[in-house]
Amino acid sequence: NAGVTQTPKFQVLKTGQSMTLQCAQDMNHEYMSWYRQDPGMGLRLIHYSVGAGITDQGEVPNGYNVSRSTTEDFPLRLLSAAPSQTSVYFCASRSDRVPGNTIYFGEGSWLTVV
Amino acid sequence: AQTVTQSQPEMSVQEAETVTLSCTYDTSENNYYLFWYKQPPSRQMILVIRQEAYKQQNATENRFSVNFQKAAKSFSLKISDSQLGDTAMYFCAFMKPVNNAGNMLTFGGGTRLMVKP
Repeated sequence: NAGVTQTPKFQVLKTGQSMTLQCAQDMNHEYMSWYRQDPGMGLRLIHYSVGAGITDQGEVPNGYNVSRSTTEDFPLRLLSAAPSQTSVYFCASRSDRVPGNTIYFGEGSWLTVV
Repeated sequence: AQTVTQSQPEMSVQEAETVTLSCTYDTSENNYYLFWYKQPPSRQMILVIRQEAYKQQNATENRFSVNFQKAAKSFSLKISDSQLGDTAMYFCAFMKPVNNAGNMLTFGGGTRLMVKP
């Protein structure tokens, strides 16, 4: 059971480039989300999804797009990378079927935009 | 909107001693969840302990326990018998009631804990 898997783990981008951070979960969780963590801060919600085909914005959505074509996958797209998007990105999932509202996090993706 | 405040940016403790990390929050909700997460240098987010607001009994997980004061909106973490492996960033987090589709956790700014041998 892999849990929540994120790729790549490390990435360096030039300003203006685009890229996609991949997230996959094998727990059949309904809810998936993306957070970013800037240096010295807690995580902040970017986008989330309540199921395949349904997404919505979180606290800091600007500059990011998401889609959810399957239950398992929830990719995060940076359309035109900016240095302000240098951060560590976490994908997370949750299910109402799991007691206690436990949120499962991926191991993070370190993104540097130069 | 909820806010979470951790007033201690850094703390240190001697190995085997006890340390308490502070957390306060602000919300108009009556039912909610509170969490402490540990983040070692690897940046992995590790759930330490969870408290449901409707439960009066303080949560305990081995060496970790909380002091949950709902009226005061305070949620402190006590680590007993501190170990070197406890060295990490600790985040307090608030979660709205169940069926929160966004998995939205509101995090505090974190406390960096160093356990000294």
